[in-house]
Amino acid sequence: QSVLTQPPSVSAAPGQKLTISCSGSSSNIGNNYVSWYQQLPGTAPKLLIYENNKRPSGIPDRFSGSKSGTSATLGITGLQTGDEADYYCGTWDSSLSAGVFGGGTKLTVL
Amino acid sequence: QLQLQESGPGLVKASETLSLTCTVSGGSTSSSSYFWGWIRQPPGKGLEWIGSIYYSGSTYYNPSLKSRVTVSVDTSKNQFSLKLSSVTAADTAVYYCARLFGVSRPIDYWGQGTLVTVSS
Repeated sequence: QSVLTQPPSVSAAPGQKLTISCSGSSSNIGNNYVSWYQQLPGTAPKLLIYENNKRPSGIPDRFSGSKSGTSATLGITGLQTGDEADYYCGTWDSSLSAGVFGGGTKLTVL
Repeated sequence: QLQLQESGPGLVKASETLSLTCTVSGGSTSSSSYFWGWIRQPPGKGLEWIGSIYYSGSTYYNPSLKSRVTVSVDTSKNQFSLKLSSVTAADTAVYYCARLFGVSRPIDYWGQGTLVTVSS
């Protein structure tokens, strides 16, 4: 049981846009920055978004992040087959004094 | 370019202690700008945050693992380590070492991961 809640799967056609949600509480998302990670099959996760909506160098602007209250959203536009991966949200939990992740969302590009 | 490399036994017997080391190159574990941590992923499952350490030695652990986990840093060797005691089959996972930064600890660098299997 993950502290943060994500949908298990999402799908869309190439070129389309979609969003992945991440729900938490006041002790984590509500009072801390959210990060998003992409994990391609057989590889380590990669940081896509940090501090809710910032992209590390090299991450295309097709990826975006937002936060409202105790929920966060990852947006992806212009979907490509190469975007098929598992996506995880993460943040700090001030009550636990530890990092927490969502359960992950498998993205399928139809 | 920062690189992280996990090392340690790939097979551990149940009830024993899992020990892994992460060697950092291209960066310094004595930097005051970063934390160093461990994340694991059981086969076919999601990510689980294990713990992290600051160069000063301050540690932060997942409460569900806290009684069994120790994360330490050796700045002279530019390495940090994980020890997980009394392992069971549920501890079988790919273990990643990582660099964390900022107040909410996003992870900007990951090791390639190492599979540790707990055998009975």
